[in-house]
Amino acid sequence: DAGITQSPRHKVTETGTPVTLRCHQTENHRYMYWYRQDPGHGLRLIHYSYGVKDTDKGEVSDGYSVSRSKTEDFLLTLESATSSQTSVYFCAISLGVWDTDTQYFGPGTRLTVL
Amino acid sequence: GDSVTQMEGPVTLSEEAFLTINCTYTATGYPSLFWYVQYPGEGLQLLLKATKADDKGSNKGFEATYRKETTSFHLEKGSVQVSDSAVYFCALSDEGETSGSRLTFGEGTQLTVNP
Repeated sequence: DAGITQSPRHKVTETGTPVTLRCHQTENHRYMYWYRQDPGHGLRLIHYSYGVKDTDKGEVSDGYSVSRSKTEDFLLTLESATSSQTSVYFCAISLGVWDTDTQYFGPGTRLTVL
Repeated sequence: GDSVTQMEGPVTLSEEAFLTINCTYTATGYPSLFWYVQYPGEGLQLLLKATKADDKGSNKGFEATYRKETTSFHLEKGSVQVSDSAVYFCALSDEGETSGSRLTFGEGTQLTVNP
Protein backbone atom coordinates (compact mmCIF):
# COMPACT_ATOMS: atom_id res chain seq x y z
CA ASP A 1 0.00 0.00 0.00
CA ALA A 2 1.62 3.24 -1.16
CA GLY A 3 -0.65 5.41 1.00
CA ILE A 4 -2.49 7.12 -1.85
CA THR A 5 -5.99 8.52 -1.47
CA GLN A 6 -8.11 10.31 -4.05
CA SER A 7 -11.04 12.61 -3.48
CA PRO A 8 -13.79 12.71 -4.34
CA ARG A 9 -14.27 9.08 -5.35
CA HIS A 10 -17.32 9.91 -7.45
CA LYS A 11 -18.48 13.18 -8.93
CA VAL A 12 -21.24 14.25 -11.29
CA THR A 13 -21.02 17.74 -12.71
CA GLU A 14 -22.37 19.81 -15.56
CA THR A 15 -20.66 20.97 -18.72
CA GLY A 16 -18.80 24.24 -18.24
CA THR A 17 -18.24 23.96 -14.50
CA PRO A 18 -14.78 23.81 -12.95
CA VAL A 19 -13.76 20.60 -11.22
CA THR A 20 -10.76 19.82 -9.02
CA LEU A 21 -9.64 16.33 -8.14
CA ARG A 22 -7.23 15.73 -5.30
CA CYS A 23 -4.53 13.13 -4.89
CA HIS A 24 -2.96 12.80 -1.46
CA GLN A 25 0.02 10.67 -0.47
CA THR A 26 1.44 10.15 3.00
CA GLU A 27 5.00 9.00 2.29
CA ASN A 28 6.78 11.99 0.71
CA HIS A 29 7.24 10.43 -2.71
CA ARG A 30 8.73 12.82 -5.21
CA TYR A 31 6.96 11.72 -8.39
CA MET A 32 3.20 11.88 -8.88
CA TYR A 33 1.07 11.29 -11.97
CA TRP A 34 -2.48 11.75 -13.23
CA TYR A 35 -3.99 9.32 -15.75
CA ARG A 36 -7.40 8.90 -17.28
CA GLN A 37 -8.89 5.51 -18.12
CA ASP A 38 -11.28 5.10 -21.02
CA PRO A 39 -12.58 1.97 -22.76
CA GLY A 40 -10.38 1.02 -25.69
CA HIS A 41 -7.54 3.33 -24.61
CA GLY A 42 -6.14 1.81 -21.46
CA LEU A 43 -4.69 4.54 -19.26
CA ARG A 44 -3.27 7.74 -20.71
CA LEU A 45 -1.01 10.19 -18.92
CA ILE A 46 -2.45 13.68 -18.39
CA HIS A 47 0.20 15.45 -16.32
CA TYR A 48 2.94 14.49 -13.94
CA SER A 49 5.06 16.12 -11.24
CA TYR A 50 8.67 15.58 -10.32
CA GLY A 51 8.68 17.82 -7.28
CA VAL A 52 6.90 20.68 -5.55
CA LYS A 53 5.90 23.22 -8.21
CA ASP A 54 7.57 21.10 -10.91
CA THR A 55 5.08 19.67 -13.38
CA ASP A 56 4.96 18.67 -17.02
CA LYS A 57 2.43 17.64 -19.63
CA GLY A 58 1.57 14.15 -20.66
CA GLU A 59 -0.11 12.68 -23.69
CA VAL A 60 -3.61 14.13 -23.16
CA SER A 61 -3.10 17.38 -21.27
CA ASP A 62 -5.45 19.68 -23.23
CA GLY A 63 -8.24 20.98 -21.00
CA TYR A 64 -6.44 20.05 -17.78
CA SER A 65 -4.14 21.87 -15.40
CA VAL A 66 -2.31 20.68 -12.31
CA SER A 67 -0.73 22.13 -9.21
CA ARG A 68 1.57 20.81 -6.55
CA SER A 69 2.21 23.31 -3.77
CA LYS A 70 3.32 20.67 -1.26
CA THR A 71 4.80 17.20 -1.56
CA GLU A 72 1.75 15.29 -0.42
CA ASP A 73 -0.91 16.81 -2.67
CA PHE A 74 -1.25 16.81 -6.46
CA LEU A 75 -4.37 18.55 -7.78
CA LEU A 76 -5.94 18.05 -11.20
CA THR A 77 -8.25 20.82 -12.42
CA LEU A 78 -10.70 20.82 -15.29
CA GLU A 79 -11.21 24.56 -15.82
CA SER A 80 -14.44 24.09 -17.79
CA ALA A 81 -15.57 20.48 -17.86
CA THR A 82 -16.76 18.91 -21.10
CA SER A 83 -18.56 15.62 -21.74
CA SER A 84 -15.40 14.22 -23.34
CA GLN A 85 -13.76 14.46 -19.92
CA THR A 86 -16.14 11.89 -18.47
CA SER A 87 -13.72 9.22 -17.36
CA VAL A 88 -12.11 7.46 -14.45
CA TYR A 89 -9.08 9.37 -13.17
CA PHE A 90 -6.19 7.66 -11.43
CA CYS A 91 -3.38 9.17 -9.48
CA ALA A 92 -0.08 7.32 -9.20
CA ILE A 93 3.25 7.72 -7.46
CA SER A 94 6.66 6.23 -8.04
CA LEU A 95 9.02 5.55 -5.20
CA GLY A 96 11.87 7.68 -6.48
CA VAL A 97 15.52 7.03 -5.82
CA TRP A 98 15.54 3.23 -5.68
CA ASP A 99 12.80 2.49 -8.17
CA THR A 100 11.74 5.33 -10.43
CA ASP A 101 10.11 3.04 -13.00
CA THR A 102 7.39 1.33 -10.99
CA GLN A 103 4.21 3.26 -10.34
CA TYR A 104 1.58 2.58 -7.68
CA PHE A 105 -1.98 3.67 -8.19
CA GLY A 106 -4.71 5.20 -6.10
CA PRO A 107 -8.32 3.92 -6.05
CA GLY A 108 -9.56 6.29 -8.76
CA THR A 109 -12.19 9.00 -9.16
CA ARG A 110 -15.16 8.41 -11.43
CA LEU A 111 -16.15 11.71 -13.03
CA THR A 112 -19.33 12.17 -15.06
CA VAL A 113 -19.86 15.40 -16.99
CA LEU A 114 -23.47 15.89 -18.09
CA GLY B 1 6.42 7.40 -29.98
CA ASP B 2 6.20 4.47 -27.66
CA SER B 3 3.27 2.11 -27.94
CA VAL B 4 1.94 -1.13 -26.46
CA THR B 5 -0.36 -3.57 -28.22
CA GLN B 6 -2.29 -6.22 -26.32
CA MET B 7 -4.34 -9.08 -27.63
CA GLU B 8 -7.96 -8.17 -27.97
CA GLY B 9 -10.37 -9.39 -25.36
CA PRO B 10 -12.44 -10.40 -23.72
CA VAL B 11 -10.90 -13.74 -22.86
CA THR B 12 -13.05 -16.40 -21.21
CA LEU B 13 -11.51 -19.54 -19.72
CA SER B 14 -12.53 -22.40 -17.50
CA GLU B 15 -10.89 -22.81 -14.12
CA GLU B 16 -7.47 -24.55 -14.29
CA ALA B 17 -6.99 -23.64 -17.97
CA PHE B 18 -3.71 -22.21 -19.28
CA LEU B 19 -3.64 -18.47 -19.83
CA THR B 20 -1.65 -16.44 -22.34
CA ILE B 21 -2.22 -12.74 -22.94
CA ASN B 22 -0.04 -11.38 -25.70
CA CYS B 23 1.73 -8.04 -25.44
CA THR B 24 4.09 -6.43 -27.94
CA TYR B 25 5.69 -3.03 -27.74
CA THR B 26 7.44 -0.34 -29.74
CA ALA B 27 9.93 1.83 -27.92
CA THR B 28 13.16 3.74 -28.27
CA GLY B 29 15.83 2.90 -25.78
CA TYR B 30 15.44 0.12 -23.21
CA PRO B 31 12.18 0.45 -21.34
CA SER B 32 11.09 -1.53 -18.32
CA LEU B 33 7.99 -3.64 -18.92
CA PHE B 34 5.08 -4.22 -16.58
CA TRP B 35 1.86 -6.12 -16.12
CA TYR B 36 -0.81 -4.49 -13.99
CA VAL B 37 -4.11 -6.03 -12.89
CA GLN B 38 -7.36 -4.23 -12.16
CA TYR B 39 -10.11 -5.93 -10.20
CA PRO B 40 -13.66 -4.58 -10.53
CA GLY B 41 -14.09 -1.15 -8.95
CA GLU B 42 -10.45 -0.89 -7.92
CA GLY B 43 -7.27 0.83 -9.01
CA LEU B 44 -4.41 -0.86 -10.81
CA GLN B 45 -2.10 -3.19 -8.90
CA LEU B 46 1.39 -4.07 -10.03
CA LEU B 47 1.46 -7.76 -10.96
CA LEU B 48 5.03 -8.15 -12.21
CA LYS B 49 7.83 -6.31 -13.97
CA ALA B 50 11.04 -6.88 -15.92
CA THR B 51 13.76 -4.33 -16.47
CA LYS B 52 16.03 -5.83 -19.10
CA ALA B 53 16.15 -8.35 -21.91
CA ASP B 54 15.60 -12.00 -20.89
CA ASP B 55 14.44 -11.01 -17.41
CA LYS B 56 11.47 -13.02 -16.17
CA GLY B 57 8.97 -11.36 -13.89
CA SER B 58 6.77 -13.58 -11.76
CA ASN B 59 4.12 -13.21 -9.08
CA LYS B 60 1.12 -15.23 -7.86
CA GLY B 61 1.73 -17.90 -10.50
CA PHE B 62 1.88 -15.40 -13.36
CA GLU B 63 5.03 -15.07 -15.45
CA ALA B 64 6.27 -12.91 -18.30
CA THR B 65 9.65 -12.80 -20.03
CA TYR B 66 11.17 -9.67 -21.59
CA ARG B 67 11.92 -10.66 -25.19
CA LYS B 68 13.86 -7.90 -26.89
CA GLU B 69 14.28 -9.77 -30.16
CA THR B 70 10.51 -10.08 -30.62
CA THR B 71 9.64 -6.91 -28.61
CA SER B 72 7.18 -8.94 -26.55
CA PHE B 73 6.19 -9.47 -22.92
CA HIS B 74 3.47 -12.10 -22.95
CA LEU B 75 1.69 -12.92 -19.70
CA GLU B 76 1.19 -16.59 -18.81
CA LYS B 77 -0.30 -18.63 -16.02
CA GLY B 78 -0.45 -22.39 -15.93
CA SER B 79 -3.76 -22.80 -14.11
CA VAL B 80 -6.17 -19.91 -13.70
CA GLN B 81 -8.67 -19.52 -10.88
CA VAL B 82 -12.00 -17.73 -10.69
CA SER B 83 -10.29 -15.11 -8.52
CA ASP B 84 -8.01 -14.19 -11.47
CA SER B 85 -10.96 -12.63 -13.28
CA ALA B 86 -9.90 -9.02 -13.87
CA VAL B 87 -8.57 -6.65 -16.51
CA TYR B 88 -4.86 -7.02 -17.30
CA PHE B 89 -2.75 -4.15 -18.64
CA CYS B 90 0.66 -4.36 -20.24
CA ALA B 91 2.78 -1.21 -19.93
CA LEU B 92 6.24 0.15 -20.60
CA SER B 93 8.15 2.94 -18.93
CA ASP B 94 9.82 5.88 -20.55
CA GLU B 95 12.32 7.51 -18.26
CA GLY B 96 12.02 11.25 -18.86
CA GLU B 97 14.66 13.94 -18.86
CA THR B 98 13.58 15.03 -15.41
CA SER B 99 13.84 11.50 -14.10
CA GLY B 100 10.90 9.52 -12.80
CA SER B 101 9.02 7.69 -15.52
CA ARG B 102 6.00 7.86 -17.73
CA LEU B 103 4.02 4.72 -18.42
CA THR B 104 2.47 3.84 -21.77
CA PHE B 105 -0.34 1.31 -21.44
CA GLY B 106 -1.98 -1.19 -23.71
CA GLU B 107 -5.76 -1.19 -24.03
CA GLY B 108 -6.26 -3.87 -21.41
CA THR B 109 -7.56 -7.42 -21.70
CA GLN B 110 -10.64 -8.51 -19.78
CA LEU B 111 -10.25 -12.04 -18.39
CA THR B 112 -13.20 -14.01 -17.09
CA VAL B 113 -12.63 -17.40 -15.47
CA ASN B 114 -15.65 -19.65 -15.05
CA PRO B 115 -15.88 -22.38 -12.41
